[in-house]
Amino acid sequence: NAGVTQTPKFRILKIGQSMTLQCTQDMNHNYMYWYRQDPGMGLKLIYYSVGAGITDKGEVPNGYNVSRSTTEDFPLRLELAAPSQTSVYFCASTLAGTVETQYFGPGTRLLVL
Amino acid sequence: RKEVEQDPGPFNVPEGATVAFNCTYSNSASQSFFWYRQDCRKEPKLLMSVYSSGNEDGRFTAQLNRASQYISLLIRDSKLSDSATYLCVVNGIFGNEKLTFGTGTRLTIIP
Repeated sequence: NAGVTQTPKFRILKIGQSMTLQCTQDMNHNYMYWYRQDPGMGLKLIYYSVGAGITDKGEVPNGYNVSRSTTEDFPLRLELAAPSQTSVYFCASTLAGTVETQYFGPGTRLLVL
Repeated sequence: RKEVEQDPGPFNVPEGATVAFNCTYSNSASQSFFWYRQDCRKEPKLLMSVYSSGNEDGRFTAQLNRASQYISLLIRDSKLSDSATYLCVVNGIFGNEKLTFGTGTRLTIIP
């Protein structure tokens, strides 16, 4: 079991570029989440999904898009990167009914210059 | 007012000491409460759940006071390996599928 995997580990983007952060889980979890964590701050929910084909906005969705075509994958898309999107991005997954036990990936560090 | 508030610290505590962290939450309708641990440059991991009756796991004790909307974590006989950031987490503020994280309290155990 690899758990939750995220790629890339680190990326530098120029302002206006786009990229997709990949997230995959092999635990057959139906719930998946994307968070961002700014230095010295807690995690802020960007988007989440309760199953394939279902996504919903979290607290800070502006500037991001997601899709969930399979149970395993939950990619996060940045269309026009801005310096304010410099952060560490964590993907997490869990089973319905066990929301407290979220399994996190190792994170993607993104720097937008 | 933030939904979940914590003292950011840092707390610098000698090995073997007892340390306590507090957390307050704003929404009285919040359903459930947890402490997560995050090591430096790593992902968060669930440490323990918090119940009104209290919850003890080895050297760690978590307590919930619903009337005061207050959560605590007590670490006894602290070890060097306890150095981490402790995140107070609440479920049910924005729906039951989602967790709301505090900004974390940084703890450093000094040899």
